[in-house]
Amino acid sequence: GQNIDQPTEMTATEGAIVQINCTYQTSGFNGLFWYQQHAGEAPTFLSYNVLDGLEEKGRFSSFLSRSKGYSYLLLKELQMKDSASYLCAVLSGGYQKVTFGTGTKLQVIP
Amino acid sequence: GAGVSQSPRYKVAKRGQDVALRCDPISGHVSLFWYQQALGQGPEFLTYFQNEAQLDKSGLPSDRFFAERPEGSVSTLKIQRTQQEDSAVYLCASSSTSGDEQFFGPGTRLTVL
Repeated sequence: GQNIDQPTEMTATEGAIVQINCTYQTSGFNGLFWYQQHAGEAPTFLSYNVLDGLEEKGRFSSFLSRSKGYSYLLLKELQMKDSASYLCAVLSGGYQKVTFGTGTKLQVIP
Repeated sequence: GAGVSQSPRYKVAKRGQDVALRCDPISGHVSLFWYQQALGQGPEFLTYFQNEAQLDKSGLPSDRFFAERPEGSVSTLKIQRTQQEDSAVYLCASSSTSGDEQFFGPGTRLTVL
């Protein structure tokens, strides 16, 4: 089975840096996605990690350690519009099924 | 448009009614996924299609749920004899191949009274 854990809620200040952690236990791991979901909207793709290490994309970076079953999403220079839920999702199995975590609701305050 | 579309966006059904939810994936995308998302939760996998073949339906909660993609493009999720616990947002996603980034539609919010 799959088990994905991430914090339920986080609060951070505008302009600051926040790190959202995700731990997972799965068989047949192939990769890990991060999605952003604003309230009432569909998830949108942020990043995809297959190999260990840090992937940087503008203000957003994502890190993966496959041996530890651990990933984090790093958001820099936070903006109010970054207030959203951030979903960690694991790609696994033969046909590469995606399993989502429950999401971390991030609130950015002035 | 070039994205995934879903219809209807909102559906209110009386308990016991049948509903059909439609998904138009991005043209040419081989893989199509259906998810159920309850308020405050992540999307829960329902079923997966590769072209017209339904390769995994392990997430369908009961035999009242049925999905099809007869021509490998448009997909329909049908829920028979709806129950209040079926109330959720139903998301459809497509990807060019099974391991790629998934593009989500706006979802259908189903409310069963």
